[in-house]
Amino acid sequence: GAGVSQSPRYKVAKRGQDVALRCDPISGHVSLFWYQQALGQGPEFLTYFQNEAQLDKSGLPSDRFFAERPEGSVSTLKIQRTQQEDSAVYLCASSLAGTGGKTQYFGPGTRLLVL
Amino acid sequence: AQTVTQSQPEMSVQEAETVTLSCTYDTSENNYYLFWYKQPPSRQMILVIRQEAYKQQNATENRFSVNFQKAAKSFSLKISDSQLGDTAMYFCAFMRVSDQFYFGTGTSLTVIP
Repeated sequence: GAGVSQSPRYKVAKRGQDVALRCDPISGHVSLFWYQQALGQGPEFLTYFQNEAQLDKSGLPSDRFFAERPEGSVSTLKIQRTQQEDSAVYLCASSLAGTGGKTQYFGPGTRLLVL
Repeated sequence: AQTVTQSQPEMSVQEAETVTLSCTYDTSENNYYLFWYKQPPSRQMILVIRQEAYKQQNATENRFSVNFQKAAKSFSLKISDSQLGDTAMYFCAFMRVSDQFYFGTGTSLTVIP
């Protein structure tokens, strides 16, 4: 596709509900990243995939957060038993293969509000 | 741990003037990459400019240029001939060779007509 797309753009959940956020990376991009951006803050790293392999999940705040990319393209970030502190914008980014400072291209984000 | 500091939460500039946004970072690594991203109110993060730490020459992209001072761990962004469309949040970001990305807290820039 032309750019990284994310869905839904907005999500309102009741506390305790499970949510699933989807990311479609740029076609051909091997690396995929998830970030959490709280209001008025910069994005914070959550997790990173290279193809279908999750190479780094050190930023996931708790075991309620789970990400997958089973076929190496589309990725889903799942949050179980949502809490109010999970309210944030969740950004997805993708980049070309390999390490070494490849530029990350960001999607528009999913704004999650937990009531 | 890597940290990125943007000490100017908000800035404003008159249209057609020049403005400089500051960024400092802390790292013990020698090889890394630095970026400036722009995030307009629509929230899509857009790359403005990038700099490889091993390059001494400052990166330039049209009206955007950086002043990279490796010893001082400083990476400022200069916007020349500011335009109304430059109004946005600007994030400085540090990337390790392993692709881990660290963002600053951002500077909100307003271009005044």
